[in-house]
Amino acid sequence: AQTVTQSQPEMSVQEAETVTLSCTYDTSESDYYLFWYKQPPSRQMILVIRQEAYKQQNATENRFSVNFQKAAKSFSLKISDSQLGDAAMYFCAYKRNDMRFGAGTRLTVKP
Amino acid sequence: NAGVTQTPKFRVLKTGQSMTLLCAQDMNHEYMYWYRQDPGMGLRLIHYSVGEGTTAKGEVPDGYNVSRLKKQNFLLGLESAAPSQTSVYFCASSSASGDEYNEQFFGPGTRLTVL
Repeated sequence: AQTVTQSQPEMSVQEAETVTLSCTYDTSESDYYLFWYKQPPSRQMILVIRQEAYKQQNATENRFSVNFQKAAKSFSLKISDSQLGDAAMYFCAYKRNDMRFGAGTRLTVKP
Repeated sequence: NAGVTQTPKFRVLKTGQSMTLLCAQDMNHEYMYWYRQDPGMGLRLIHYSVGEGTTAKGEVPDGYNVSRLKKQNFLLGLESAAPSQTSVYFCASSSASGDEYNEQFFGPGTRLTVL
């Protein structure tokens, strides 16, 4: 079974600084998708960024970018120029057939 | 365009009571999902549906039943609630093809407490 591991239960970053959230996963498949979701206190799950495993180029969405290392089965999220509104739980997810989520990382942004 | 909506937003049950959670989507998505979110465990898939009239078990299906009588609705039922089912429940939907196939759109969640 595929598993997703987020080894950092909590992270903290100063406003305007950069932070990287870690994610590793276990799979024997070569074709799959990876996601980062943001969950603010409102509970709404919001897609931050998506990566197709067959693409070597790392995905970017404005201040958010990923470091996808397929051989290492690693998928980290970098948030640049952190803003107070970035404070939330962040979930890494793997999808081949169904979606598997990590346990989440709580990000705090200090003003 | 409301996206994915869930009814109710909060509910408190006593052990042994039954209830149904309703999920509705207006994006004409073929696939729908029910997840539960527990502290420290992320989201886990309970049941899912790939089309009207079809359902399948996910990672943690025991104690739950589902039905997909209409394409836009996906119901999650608890026949005899147990304290272990205290959780936040999320519904999601996705398209069956195209660029949106691998993106799931989530509802706002239902917080269920079983006493």
